[in-house]
Amino acid sequence: SQKIEQNSEALNIQEGKTATLTCNYTNYSPAYLQWYRQDPGRGPVFLLLIRENEKEKRKERLKVTFDTTLKQSLFHITASQPADSATYLCAPSTGRRALTFGSGTRLQVQP
Amino acid sequence: DAGVIQSPRHEVTEMGQEVTLRCKPISGHDYLFWYRQTMMRGLELLIYFNNNVPIDDSGMPEDRFSAKMPNASFSTLKIQPSEPRDSAVYFCASREKTGAYNEQFFGPGTRLTVL
Repeated sequence: SQKIEQNSEALNIQEGKTATLTCNYTNYSPAYLQWYRQDPGRGPVFLLLIRENEKEKRKERLKVTFDTTLKQSLFHITASQPADSATYLCAPSTGRRALTFGSGTRLQVQP
Repeated sequence: DAGVIQSPRHEVTEMGQEVTLRCKPISGHDYLFWYRQTMMRGLELLIYFNNNVPIDDSGMPEDRFSAKMPNASFSTLKIQPSEPRDSAVYFCASREKTGAYNEQFFGPGTRLTVL
């Protein structure tokens, strides 16, 4: 069955450092992959989408990579700030309208 | 636009009672999704609609759950009878038919507690 794995342990980093979050998937071939941010008590908010034919996508301090051979996406936040503290969810998609989300990784940026 | 609107934001009920959650999607969006989020299972898709028609309800846990979308601006998720294991945060999300990023817009969620 399809499986999405994100590190369940919280990632703690110092302000100014680069945060790197991992999303691994098995048993399917997504056409694209989305990343969402979720703050406590709120719904997820879309951040970035990367397609299977793209190796890398950037948006301001965010960078996403997509390796279809490794079946992995990496999500980077450079020059991290305490305001970046949140849970980040990945959602690989085969192109169907519905999304399946990973369980998310909580990021804590220490000032 | 006010975004996706959900009500109530919090619901506390007793086991066996009927619970109705409500959602107003973003105007013009063709797809509406209902999700449930728990610590143990994460964010799970329950059902989604396209143009008010249910497309995939395979995520609905059992017959106690039902969802309707009588028109393009309103959907309900009903649990009858409710059980303690239904306690979770329920999210509604909507998206356009043809968006550049196929992104979903989530509501603030309804936190349901069944005692």
